[in-house]
Amino acid sequence: SAVISQKPSRDICQRGTSLTIQCQVDSQVTMMFWYRQQPGQSLTLIATANQGSEATYESGFVIDKFPISRPNLTFSTLTVSNMSPEDSSIYLCSVALYRDNEQFFGPGTRLTVL
Amino acid sequence: GENVEQHPSTLSVQEGDSAVIKCTYSDSASNYFPWYKQELGKRPQLIIDIRSNVGEKKDQRIAVTLNKTAKHFSLHITETQPEDSAVYFCAASMGWRGSQGNLIFGKGTKLSVKP
Repeated sequence: SAVISQKPSRDICQRGTSLTIQCQVDSQVTMMFWYRQQPGQSLTLIATANQGSEATYESGFVIDKFPISRPNLTFSTLTVSNMSPEDSSIYLCSVALYRDNEQFFGPGTRLTVL
Repeated sequence: GENVEQHPSTLSVQEGDSAVIKCTYSDSASNYFPWYKQELGKRPQLIIDIRSNVGEKKDQRIAVTLNKTAKHFSLHITETQPEDSAVYFCAASMGWRGSQGNLIFGKGTKLSVKP
């Protein structure tokens, strides 16, 4: 499996500000995804990060709130914009070598919004 | 869209006993079913998966079974050990036929293994 890193590992932010989370993989992967995991809850897919085109967002998530970039096959960013306390959560990226293949998760970014 | 139900939400067993977690899915087009283990404060780790062309898969003490007709799949852990204590998530995906292989997760089962 690929080695996946995320930055930052955690952050405490003020409401109204934005935070950009980075996901780096040590090898080229076809698919990259961003998930949210609220405390004690399951994982919810935010969007699929597409290289060279706009991300594909799931119902309930919009580009203005969660802009995503994927400039190449090893790197993606997720921005949480205009944050409120409800955005406090763990944000995880995941990768898959191919469309129909196993997904592996990054270590996550623990975000607290005050 | 796909919906995945997972039961039970909590499960407590004695060390050495077996544990079974069950999931049902709604979309018959789903063809890939992974299981993840998440220890406290850690990332979800893929522990086993099964595809729709297989009815059972085993890896040492863990096994997964799939019943496509009934649209349910189960995780079996035998000879449980305290280090098996974690939250387990099932998931379903339609792979190529779906939205680029998105995983839809169940709500999780917190497994506690008492020594």
